[in-house]
Amino acid sequence: DAGVIQSPRHEVTEMGQEVTLRCKPISGHNSLFWYRQTMMRGLELLIYFNNNVPIDDSGMPEDRFSAKMPNASFSTLKIQPSEPRDSAVYFCASSLESRGETQYFGPGTRLLVL
Amino acid sequence: QQQVKQSPQSLIVQKGGISIINCAYENTAFDYFPWYQQFPGKGPALLIAIRPDVSEKKEGRFTISFNKSAKQFSLHIMDSQPGDSATYFCAASVDNYGQNFVFGPGTRLSVLP
Repeated sequence: DAGVIQSPRHEVTEMGQEVTLRCKPISGHNSLFWYRQTMMRGLELLIYFNNNVPIDDSGMPEDRFSAKMPNASFSTLKIQPSEPRDSAVYFCASSLESRGETQYFGPGTRLLVL
Repeated sequence: QQQVKQSPQSLIVQKGGISIINCAYENTAFDYFPWYQQFPGKGPALLIAIRPDVSEKKEGRFTISFNKSAKQFSLHIMDSQPGDSATYFCAASVDNYGQNFVFGPGTRLSVLP
């Protein structure tokens, strides 16, 4: 199994530009999570999906952030317009919807907004 | 009440020593407590997890101790090795299938050779 796949691995963009991060969860997993990691705030859950449906998006910082999961094998996290304070590592994780199931994290996308 | 506190922020241990990381929570509804290990440039990976119906769980050199009344749990790494150098996160969730974790701020462990 290839694990959770994220792309791109690194992204450098200028303030005001649109950024799209992509995630392919592990095949068969039906829960998908987007996290943001910074030195100041640690690991924060932004949004999670169950069976492609957003369940909790209370962690999404503001309207500039949006996430979609059009099918079981693909999700996107979009930032429009991007700001320097959005610079962070963004992780996608997936799991099976059951008690105590492990969340498997992808390698992350390191985003730098200039 | 959703917060998970973790200490210390960083830890330096000699090879062969015991590393101890502590976490505390407030929400008594939490009933699943995993520990994740993260190496630089990698995503976090599950190390070990416990539910509050047991006070201790051991897997190899890694042990979780759980104190339900104090709402505290800790990770012990016995015979610490340089390869254990990583950032460790405790987490907690209400194990209602959603697996909506609240993560602690992390502890950066350095094991000196």
